[in-house]
Amino acid sequence: GDSVTQMEGPVTLSEEAFLTINCTYTATGYPSLFWYVQYPGEGLQLLLKATKADDKGSNKGFEATYRKETTSFHLEKGSVQVSDSAVYFCALYSGYSTLTFGKGTMLLVSP
Amino acid sequence: GAVVSQHPSRVICKSGTSVKIECRSLDFQATTMFWYRQFPKQSLMLMATSNEGSKATYEQGVEKDKFLINHASLTLSTLTVTSAHPEDSSFYICSARTRANDNSPLHFGNGTRLTVT
Repeated sequence: GDSVTQMEGPVTLSEEAFLTINCTYTATGYPSLFWYVQYPGEGLQLLLKATKADDKGSNKGFEATYRKETTSFHLEKGSVQVSDSAVYFCALYSGYSTLTFGKGTMLLVSP
Repeated sequence: GAVVSQHPSRVICKSGTSVKIECRSLDFQATTMFWYRQFPKQSLMLMATSNEGSKATYEQGVEKDKFLINHASLTLSTLTVTSAHPEDSSFYICSARTRANDNSPLHFGNGTRLTVT
């Protein structure tokens, strides 16, 4: 079945540091890949997505590239801010009803 | 953009009582809605899929008699936790999409924090 593996957190960074959150997946066919963000006390928000190999999703300074050869969709940001502190979920959709989520990675950014 | 409203955002109830959580799509018709449960420091676990006008499909291990789901209209789905116990305390999130088997992203509610005392 489908599965998503994310690096365990928390990831603790200082403001303006470079961020990478690793995500790898297992899926049948050619899934679409997503990053969702959950700010404290809130629901999920779509951060970015990529629907085919080599696509790069980007939003709010975050980027992730769909790498079919390594089955990865790592999230990156060049300079994090305190307001980026949240839990980030990698997810895939392979056409069967709903998303398969990773366990989430908490990001803590200090001033 | 598409908005999903979930109510209440927080609820505290006594053990043995029932709690109803509503999920509404405010500006689109949601043919399919999903209910998730999120345990602390864990991922979202899909509980059930509900399609408007038909019975919900529950994931393995989810008690359908305990977690009653009703999707009576294209804009409203409800989850009722019956005879709640402390172990049911969790964060429940609903999501919706306009068409079944659609590749478009889901729209999520803000979640409901249930605490059973």
